[in-house]
Amino acid sequence: GESVGLHLPTLSVQEGDNSIINCAYSNSASDYFIWYKQESGKGPQFIIDIRSNMDKRQGQRVTVLLNKTVKHLSLQIAATQPGDSAVYFCAENIGNAGGTSYGKLTFGQGTILTVHP
Amino acid sequence: DTGVSQDPRHKITKRGQNVTFRCDPISEHNRLYWYRQTLGQGPEFLTYFQNEAQLEKSRLLSDRFSAERPKGSFSTLEIQRTEQGDSAMYLCASSSSGGRSNEQFFGPGTRLTVL
Repeated sequence: GESVGLHLPTLSVQEGDNSIINCAYSNSASDYFIWYKQESGKGPQFIIDIRSNMDKRQGQRVTVLLNKTVKHLSLQIAATQPGDSAVYFCAENIGNAGGTSYGKLTFGQGTILTVHP
Repeated sequence: DTGVSQDPRHKITKRGQNVTFRCDPISEHNRLYWYRQTLGQGPEFLTYFQNEAQLEKSRLLSDRFSAERPKGSFSTLEIQRTEQGDSAMYLCASSSSGGRSNEQFFGPGTRLTVL
């Protein structure tokens, strides 16, 4: 079936450390993956995305790694800051039969990241 | 602010009442999505519009739920005869089919509490 899940529901780090948040997905037809950050009382905020034809993508302080062999996705945050404290969700998009994606996202449960000063 | 907006931000209603939520997407976006999120869970897909056409509805969207996007711009989500189990955050997102990716921009959500 279609499912996206996270290995660790909570992650606590010290300010300045690097954080790694992991995600497993089960649908090999997924062609696009996104990481979202959600702060309390707000909607999810886009962090970074990656297509299935890539295995790594870097942004500002964030890197997403995709391992299609084991259906694993990770988000690395460098020099984690207190403002990074939030719930992080991975989401997958499954292309339709025509080969184009219309963007229906399936979200995982989320990981709570807490950054201590 | 040119982001996705939702109204109201909070709604408290009694069981059995009808409620309607509004979403205004980013103006140039032709795709609009509704999701539902309960505490501690990720958002769950409810329905999707491309322009004014509703192209997919989740099994989560019972016959008490109806969504419209009459002019291909704003959208409304109506819940009839609300039940306590409908209490959740209702999120709207929009995206552009012509963009590089399917990045969806989310609004702040409408938190529904059914008493």
